[in-house]
This record gives sequence, structure tokens and C-alpha cells, in this order.
Amino acid sequence: QVQLRESGPGLVKPSETLSLNCIVSGFPISSGGFHWSWIRQHPGKGLEWIGYIYYNGRSDYSPSLKSRVTISLDTSKNEISLILNSVTAADTAVYYCAAEGVSGDYSFDYWGQGTLVTVSS
Amino acid sequence: DIQMTQSPSSVSASVGDRVTITCRASQGISGWLAWYQQRPGKAPKILIYATSSLRGGVPSRFSGSGSGTDFSLTISSLQPEDFATYFCQQSFTFPRTFGQGTKVEIK
Repeated sequence: QVQLRESGPGLVKPSETLSLNCIVSGFPISSGGFHWSWIRQHPGKGLEWIGYIYYNGRSDYSPSLKSRVTISLDTSKNEISLILNSVTAADTAVYYCAAEGVSGDYSFDYWGQGTLVTVSS
Repeated sequence: DIQMTQSPSSVSASVGDRVTITCRASQGISGWLAWYQQRPGKAPKILIYATSSLRGGVPSRFSGSGSGTDFSLTISSLQPEDFATYFCQQSFTFPRTFGQGTKVEIK
């Protein structure tokens, strides 16, 4: 059973960098099988895909965030990370890491519990 | 980006009712459409992938259909635990995009 758990600061100041980690258990991220993704949800709103990284380093990002976002993976820790630069209040959201299956389904099969990040001075 | 439009944005229904939610894509997505359920304060949960394939453990009262640009999720007999928000999502291309959500409320 794949499990994901996000961690990181709940409060970030405007113009600073948001940094989150997601520990994956139950599946080695080095073995393919999933796009390791980040998705966010603004308070009371819908879901916004941020981007993904694959075990081989292939990645893609939302065009609206591409200039500010980096997703990376650390296979030794079985962990994926999200960095979002130059944050504003518009980046206040619940951030989820999620695993998108790549074996014919291409759906977000597993999700972390989410972590709320507030951007405020 | 492919725009996903759900309707209605909310629906009031009673236990036992049949509920249908629709999702329209701004272009054809070759059936790469998934549905998620989200309860308050929780992460979304996958229900259906590839238009109509039920994920393991999901009750059979949930079903999906559609093709081209028009898709639907049907709950055949609404149960108390089904009151939640439902999202569609396309995985035909990047960036992945979601519908704005449909809230199923108790009548």
C-alpha cells in the first residue's frame, strides 16, 4: 500500500520560498510506476496541478507556475520535494503530494493528507 | 490547457436518489477522464479512471460514462457517506486539469 505524507512550514512570508517534502512509503520511487506529483487547493476552491517528476528525472510543470517551481526526488530517502519561489498570498493553499499511475490508468491513485501553507507576513 | 467544466456546481438530493454529474472538456480527451470524491478536510479519493473503470474498493453504485468531450458520473442510489464534493480530471495531456467541483448536499 503506497502512503504519502507531506511536511513543511505552515507559514511562509511573501517573496520567500515555499519548501515542502513528501515521504513515500510502501513503494520505492526509484522503480517507476508513478508520476510523483504535487497538487494544491486554494481555500474552498478546486484542485490545481502543479507538476510531477518521474523516477528518471523527467518532469513537467504547470505553465502558470513553471518559472517559480521545482520538483525533485531523493531516492535514498524515498522522498519528493517541492520548491516554489517568490510566493504571494495567492499561493496560500493546501498542498498535496499524489501518485499518478502510469500503467494504463493515469489517475491520481494515492494522496497525502495535505498540508496547509499560508503566505503572510 | 484543456478546460474541464462540471455541472451542476451543486446538487441537493436525498438518500436513495439517483444523481448524475456531468463534465465537459474543451477538446477531445480520448477517454482519459477520472472522477474523485473529496470529503471536507480530507484528500481527494479516486473513484473512476479511464471514463468508466471503477477503482478497487469503490461501491458499484458509482459509474462513469462518456466519450469525446462529454462525460458523466452517476451515483445510482445516494448513501449518507456520498455527500461530498466530486471532481473530474483529464489525463490526456499536460498540464493535468480538474473541473471546478460539484458539491452533493443533503436535501
